[in-house]
Amino acid sequence: GIQVEQSPPDLILQEGANSTLRCNFSDSVNNLQWFHQNPWGQLINLFYIPSGTKQNGRLSATTVATERYSLLYISSSQTTDSGVYFCAVGSNDMRFGAGTRLTVKP
Amino acid sequence: GAVVSQHPSRVICKSGTSVKIECRSLDFQATTMFWYRQFPKKSLMLMATSNEGSKATYEQGVEKDKFLINHASLTLSTLTVTSAHPEDSSFYICSAEGPTGTYEQYFGPGTRLTVT
Repeated sequence: GIQVEQSPPDLILQEGANSTLRCNFSDSVNNLQWFHQNPWGQLINLFYIPSGTKQNGRLSATTVATERYSLLYISSSQTTDSGVYFCAVGSNDMRFGAGTRLTVKP
Repeated sequence: GAVVSQHPSRVICKSGTSVKIECRSLDFQATTMFWYRQFPKKSLMLMATSNEGSKATYEQGVEKDKFLINHASLTLSTLTVTSAHPEDSSFYICSAEGPTGTYEQYFGPGTRLTVT
C-alpha cells in the first residue's frame, strides 16, 4: 500500500516563528489533505490539496504531485497552533502519516 | 457545511458486552464513510470503508465479525464492537466523503471507548 512519511516528528517553536512541515508519499494520489488534531481529538481540515498551492491566513500548503511531496507552511506561529499535524493521502481510502507534533512556546 | 457527528463521544463498557457507535453526516449525503482507529500518541489507522446499501470493505487484519459496520442510509453509518475486550479500548473516528464531488473527507469528533 501507499507509504506516507512526515517530517519532522517533533517541532518546538517560539511564538512568532515560521515553520515548514513536509509530507512524502510513495504513489500518485487523488486526495491529499492536511489536518490539525486538537487536544480533544477532533481533526480540523486545513487543506484539501492534491496538487498546487493554497493559502488560508497564516497557513499555506503546496503539493508537487509529480515529485510526491507536500509542504505545510505556518507563519507567525501562535500558541494555539500547538498540536499534531497530519498529512493523509489516497484516493477512495486515505492513509495517514505519523504526524508532526508542534509545540509553540510563548 | 460538511459536518459529521459521532455518538457517543465517550463510552465505558464491561468486557463481553457490545457497543454501537453512530456516525452521521448532518448536512450532506454520504455514499461512502470510513472508520479509523487511533491509539494514544499514534496515527489514525483505517479499519474499513462503509458503502451505503452494501457490505463494508475491511482492511487487512481487521476482524469483520468483531467490528460490525452497517451503512443503512446516506447519512448514517454504525460501528458495533462485539464482545468487547480491554484491548479494544481506543479512539474511534469516522469520516465521510464530502459533498463537493472531490475525494475530500470530513471527520467526526471521535468516540473514546474504554472496556473494563
